[in-house]
Amino acid sequence: KAGVTQTPRYLIKTRGQQVTLSCSPISGHRSVSWYQQTPGQGLQFLFEYFSETQRNKGNFPGRFSGRQFSNSRSEMNVSTLELGDSALYLCASSLVLAGEDTQYFGPGTRLTVL
Amino acid sequence: GENVEQHPSTLSVQEGDSAVIKCTYSDSASNYFPWYKQELGKRPQLIIDIRSNVGEKKDQRIAVTLNKTAKHFSLHITETQPEDSAVYFCAATNYGGSQGNLIFGKGTKLSVKP
Repeated sequence: KAGVTQTPRYLIKTRGQQVTLSCSPISGHRSVSWYQQTPGQGLQFLFEYFSETQRNKGNFPGRFSGRQFSNSRSEMNVSTLELGDSALYLCASSLVLAGEDTQYFGPGTRLTVL
Repeated sequence: GENVEQHPSTLSVQEGDSAVIKCTYSDSASNYFPWYKQELGKRPQLIIDIRSNVGEKKDQRIAVTLNKTAKHFSLHITETQPEDSAVYFCAATNYGGSQGNLIFGKGTKLSVKP
């Protein structure tokens, strides 16, 4: 089976712009979780989607949003980008709800905000 | 909510020695504890996990122990090799609960010197 894929792998944006990141889970997986990874804060949970519904949300501002499609692919959107949004954004998929089954991570999207 | 503390933040060992990384968690309802290894520039990969109904789990040179009373769990790597060099993350979650997302520790950078 193909692993979790993320597109694009690298992005450079300027402050105030918005960005959309995409995640394709492993075939058959229904849960997609998003994480922000930075050197100072480590891996921080953004949100989890299961069967097209947001199940959990981390402690991030409303500028961060997401959605999941019927084929389980997920997108994450960040509006009004700030310098502090520069990070590696990782998504992870699992067969069922996160925690009930192993999460498999994608390679990440490296976002740089100038 | 859950909080996970991980120590040490950096660890340097000689090849062949053992390495121990410790994590503590705050939510006594947490019942699933995975460990991820992230090599430089790569995605986090699950190396071992433990559920709260067991106290220890072993997989070749890697073992994890869980002390539910003290709310801490540890990763043990024996006979370390240079390829074990990476950042290791512990995580905790209450799967089946309303907040089943993984909460990660800040990571331990392990360096194995040949």
